[in-house]
Amino acid sequence: KQEVTQIPAALSVPEGENLVLNCSFTDSAIYNLQWFRQDPGKGLTSLLLIQSSQREQTSGRLNASLDKSSGRSTLYIAASQPGDSATYLCAVRGMDTGRRALTFGSGTRLQVQP
Amino acid sequence: ETGVTQTPRHLVMGMTNKKSLKCEQHLGHNAMYWYKQSAKKPLELMFVYNFKEQTENNSVPSRFSPECPNSSHLFLHLHTLQPEDSALYLCASSLPGSEQFFGPGTRLTVL
Repeated sequence: KQEVTQIPAALSVPEGENLVLNCSFTDSAIYNLQWFRQDPGKGLTSLLLIQSSQREQTSGRLNASLDKSSGRSTLYIAASQPGDSATYLCAVRGMDTGRRALTFGSGTRLQVQP
Repeated sequence: ETGVTQTPRHLVMGMTNKKSLKCEQHLGHNAMYWYKQSAKKPLELMFVYNFKEQTENNSVPSRFSPECPNSSHLFLHLHTLQPEDSALYLCASSLPGSEQFFGPGTRLTVL
């Protein structure tokens, strides 16, 4: 059974810092990996999707990497801003073509101090 | 209206009530999902529908009954719920192999 772990569970940084969020998964046979942002009490906003054949994806100040063989992904946020404060979730989809659902980690709660 | 919408956004119900949650997607996707997010637990899958057919049921109790009349609409019918069913219920949609897009969720409180 796939398990997804995110470290750290919570992180507080001053504005302007570069930071890295970590995600690990136990079964390396994944189809893709997706990073989401969730604001308190709200739904999820998709940030980046990395297919299993890709090593990284970039969107603005965000860069996500994937090392499938070691079961790890990182989300790099450059020049953090108070508006980046949210919970960041990592989720993986398995290779089983009959199963589309994502397995989620518990998230990293990020607070960027002005 | 674009994206994935959910109604109602908030719902309070007693254990004997029957209510339904609605999800609608305007993205042309053919797969729709129900997820449950409880306090201090990871998001967990409940149901998956692909082209209106249920393809996954993650051992969800029968007091939750999904319905997918077409590829754009998904319902979750609720009856005889328990207080521990209080959670944020999230709907998502996708194309095959593509990223999932989520709605804003319905915050359910069972008294």
